[in-house]
Amino acid sequence: GAGVSQSPSNKVTEKGKDVELRCDPISGHTALYWYRQSLGQGLEFLIYFQGNSAPDKSGLPSDRFSAERTGGSVSTLTIQRTQQEDSAVYLCASSLTTGGSPLHFGNGTRLTVT
Amino acid sequence: KQEVTQIPAALSVPEGENLVLNCSFTDSAIYNLQWFRQDPGKGLTSLLLIQSSQREQTSGRLNASLDKSSGRSTLYIAASQPGDSATYLCAAKETSGSRLTFGEGTQLTVNP
Repeated sequence: GAGVSQSPSNKVTEKGKDVELRCDPISGHTALYWYRQSLGQGLEFLIYFQGNSAPDKSGLPSDRFSAERTGGSVSTLTIQRTQQEDSAVYLCASSLTTGGSPLHFGNGTRLTVT
Repeated sequence: KQEVTQIPAALSVPEGENLVLNCSFTDSAIYNLQWFRQDPGKGLTSLLLIQSSQREQTSGRLNASLDKSSGRSTLYIAASQPGDSATYLCAAKETSGSRLTFGEGTQLTVNP
């Protein structure tokens, strides 16, 4: 596709439910990043993939959060037993390489936990 | 741990004015620094990327400079337009295969 695609664009869920957020990076991009942006806050790093492996998952806030990437392409971020503090915009980005290539962001998934 | 700070947090200027946005980072051993803009309800759009060996990058009315020794980068916008209104974020990348650490952004409003 022309850009990074994220789905759904909006998700409202009840506290305690599990959610899956999807990211389709730009074709051929080897690096993929997940960030979280809370209201009025900066971007918080969650996890980074190089191909299908995750060299840096140190930003995942708890063991309720997990992510995977298959085929060096699509990535899924899963949040189990959602809490109200998980409400945020989850942004995915990809880049051609891990080094000097700019990041291309999707429009994000706005998650609201009620 | 890298920390990135942006000043000012918000800026309002009349159309046509030249302006400078500031970004500072605590660890000068960066791999590159990137500037992005974010429009409301949207993701981030990459504006300029400066490698650690470079001093500046230019794209149209935008010029970004990098001074690693002082831990600073500036984004210069010439002849500002209302369409430039957005939040501008800078981000530092520490090594080739690492995360970007973002500042909290400068919210720019250009008034017609």
